[in-house]
Amino acid sequence: DSGVTQTPKHLITATGQRVTLRCSPRSGDLSVYWYQQSLDQGLQFLIQYYNGEERAKGNILERFSAQQFPDLHSELNLSSLELGDSALYFCASSVAPGLAIGDTQYFGPGTRLTVL
Amino acid sequence: DAKTTQPTSMDCAEGRAANLPCNHSTISGNEYVYWYRQIHSQGPQYIIHGLKNNETNEMASLIITEDRKSSTLILPHATLRDTAVYYCIVSNAGGTSYGKLTFGQGTILTVHP
Repeated sequence: DSGVTQTPKHLITATGQRVTLRCSPRSGDLSVYWYQQSLDQGLQFLIQYYNGEERAKGNILERFSAQQFPDLHSELNLSSLELGDSALYFCASSVAPGLAIGDTQYFGPGTRLTVL
Repeated sequence: DAKTTQPTSMDCAEGRAANLPCNHSTISGNEYVYWYRQIHSQGPQYIIHGLKNNETNEMASLIITEDRKSSTLILPHATLRDTAVYYCIVSNAGGTSYGKLTFGQGTILTVHP
């Protein structure tokens, strides 16, 4: 158990819909990262928040957005869903804002999103 | 980001040491080498990381060459539960992708009875 929690575990929805994925970081961690893992793209970084502020952005679609709340939990919002958005979505957390000092990211169990 | 090259797959007998190589010839001086593994569709599991010196923890050992252009992850006594995809990642220590981990295809390690 990494200490990172994600809800829900599974989500099935239809094209065009909007969903929200939730992540609670490990106690004491200030950074939250979101990753997407699809069959054809592998694990890809989406976005990072540090202490409530966006820190880094990866290949995140404009239909996707995220935020980190004062209690440090984070939500990833996916809208106008398409079939290709079906994937595993992982959240990770770390103490520091970056990896330059050898910080470690711990991953949650993921949310499996299926878009029908 | 520094690129990493890993073998696509490897086999290991249960109880033997598993040695997983990784090449990262373009690594910068302040970039760390991280190893994660993913068992089936579970969340990636942190194994170990290092900068210059060899590192050991309860899970594995990490051997980094003196020129830092390659490394080897060693699982000293592999078990069936170590069957997983192992990812070697070089940290992005700056720029606009300050904290992201860039996952490649990894090495599929299969531990046989």
